Amino acid sequence: QQQVKQSPQSLIVQKGGISIINCAYENTAFDYFPWYQQFPGKGPALLIAIRPDVSEKKEGRFTISFNKSAKQFSLHIMDSQPGDSATYFCAASIEGSGNTGKLIFGQGTTLQVKP
Amino acid sequence: SQTIHQWPATLVQPVGSPLSLECTVEGTSNPNLYWYRQAAGRGLQLLFYSVGIGQISSEVPQNLSASRPQDRQFILSSKKLLLSDSGFYLCAWGRDINTEAFFGQGTRLTVV
Repeated sequence: QQQVKQSPQSLIVQKGGISIINCAYENTAFDYFPWYQQFPGKGPALLIAIRPDVSEKKEGRFTISFNKSAKQFSLHIMDSQPGDSATYFCAASIEGSGNTGKLIFGQGTTLQVKP
Repeated sequence: SQTIHQWPATLVQPVGSPLSLECTVEGTSNPNLYWYRQAAGRGLQLLFYSVGIGQISSEVPQNLSASRPQDRQFILSSKKLLLSDSGFYLCAWGRDINTEAFFGQGTRLTVV
């Protein structure tokens, strides 16, 4: 019940296209859902995050869509660029004082944007 | 501003040798600290987390141990490395309430 399942494992998109990565979870206590971006040889960096009180959050070309009833959330990258080529991880955790802030990560998606 | 330092960046160690990876955080106090391992082509697996000095919780049984001798210092250790310990090790910190995690640059460990 602590798992977060992420798909696809890899994704190839043409420059200017839309990249879509999906995640699903089981634990209904999760209330914080971040996406991390990782370039080769580097640590992951927070890209965008959402909480269950909204169904969508947009920051620039990056959008998270959240479906609480289906226990699913997804990352959309609009107008994908070669510089977006990286590994993307979804994650989930339980916020709030007294919680440890442990993030449960998905398996990761390697995105390649072709010029 | 807060920064996290992790070293070394790469490490090649023989089987059976000891290990010590260090992580320090600057610019904040009483952070939650985490060690993750990322195997090739796989996700991030939480190994240990700490909510305070001397407080360590292990998430998975393994050949590794962690210690937190100071508030902003987190150490990952092993007495005898196994081949299966090879991987990319990431230290991270976060605040108690806001679970955003900030990662270090990682250590690429190869056990030969």
